[in-house]
Amino acid sequence: ELKVEQNPLFLSMQEGKNYTIYCNYSTTSDRLYWYRQDPGKSLESLFVLLSNGAVKQEGRLMASLDTKARLSTLHITAAVHDLSATYFCAVADTGTASKLTFGTGTRLQVTL
Amino acid sequence: DAGITQSPRYKITETGRQVTLMCHQTWSHSYMFWYRQDLGHGLRLIYYSAAADITDKGEVPDGYVVSRSKTENFPLTLESATRSQTSVYFCASTEAGLRGYTFGSGTRLTVV
Repeated sequence: ELKVEQNPLFLSMQEGKNYTIYCNYSTTSDRLYWYRQDPGKSLESLFVLLSNGAVKQEGRLMASLDTKARLSTLHITAAVHDLSATYFCAVADTGTASKLTFGTGTRLQVTL
Repeated sequence: DAGITQSPRYKITETGRQVTLMCHQTWSHSYMFWYRQDLGHGLRLIYYSAAADITDKGEVPDGYVVSRSKTENFPLTLESATRSQTSVYFCASTEAGLRGYTFGSGTRLTVV
């Protein structure tokens, strides 16, 4: 059974600081996704990581995937208040139906 | 408009009632999913479908029923609602995961 652990669960950081969110998963997969969710809203796709060593960047966010270590990171550079949200990683089952298993999410709060 | 739509957005129902949540997508994606989101649990898979007339249980299927007679529709029915089914329900679809998964706007269900 695929398990996905995400940490930290809650992160309060000051504007301008850097930080990393970690996503570990328990069984082999070559597809990992990062989503952002604002309060009361749906999930917005941030990154799709499809191979070992994949690195994607969008603005102040950069995601990477190490399939051998079963680890993905979401790095935040010089945080701004607009990045405050909950971030989820999700790992695809390599079996049938492309099921996604989600981490419990990291609630990011960026303070002035 | 193209996309994935859920209805209703909000629903309050009484314990023991049957309620159906609707999900409609316009891309003809093969795969569709129902997740529930609860504080502290992230998103958990209820049911999924790989194609019309093909459905299977996810992590938390008890008390729910799905059908998929047409590719574009994937309704979720709570046969006899219980308070533990109070949650936010998200529908999602994908073709093969390579371009990610798209989520509907969610249905907030309260069972009283």
